[in-house]
Amino acid sequence: AQSVTQPDIHITVSEGASLELRCNYSYGATPYLFWYVQSPGQGLQLLLKYFSGDTLVQGIKGFEAEFKRSQSSFNLRKPSVHWSDAAEYFCAVGRSNDYKLSFGAGTTVTVRA
Amino acid sequence: EPEVTQTPSHQVTQMGQEVILRCVPISNHLYFYWYRQILGQKVEFLVSFYNNEISEKSEIFDDQFSVERPDGSNFTLKIRSTKLEDSAMYFCASSEQGLSGDTQYFGPGTRLTVL
Repeated sequence: AQSVTQPDIHITVSEGASLELRCNYSYGATPYLFWYVQSPGQGLQLLLKYFSGDTLVQGIKGFEAEFKRSQSSFNLRKPSVHWSDAAEYFCAVGRSNDYKLSFGAGTTVTVRA
Repeated sequence: EPEVTQTPSHQVTQMGQEVILRCVPISNHLYFYWYRQILGQKVEFLVSFYNNEISEKSEIFDDQFSVERPDGSNFTLKIRSTKLEDSAMYFCASSEQGLSGDTQYFGPGTRLTVL
């Protein structure tokens, strides 16, 4: 079964600083990889996804993520964080032959002025 | 932009009672899902539904759970006899195509509290 690890439970970053959130997955074949964001009181919003092709994926809100097969990682980055980026971020993995997504435990991002 | 909606946003019930959580998926989507997140834990898959049938379910989705698409727009999750451990945030999602390679769009969730 696939699994997803987000090693950082909570990250605090200054506004304008760069942000990187880590995600590692365990799955034998090439997975489908997603990053979702959840703001308080909101649902899970898709930031970006990777299926195949270019390993650097651009998403909404200025986020990008890089798939590294050798490290089984799909880290999310943003060069300059805005206060509105404070939220919880979830990495998720899917397989080609089933319907479910497997989620990581999430990373809470706090942005300080 | 089309979105998934869920009602109610918060449901409080007594242990042993039945609850129905409602979702309106995006209109042209054919695949529907329920996930839950117990406080402090991961978002967990419960069930996927297509063409009026369950296409996949997790071990969590036992006989006390059922899903239904009662009409052309709603998708419901019923818990027959709620337990304290059913307290969680329940998310509905939908996708245009099936299998997890397609993007699943999530609703805002229903927070279920079982007393």
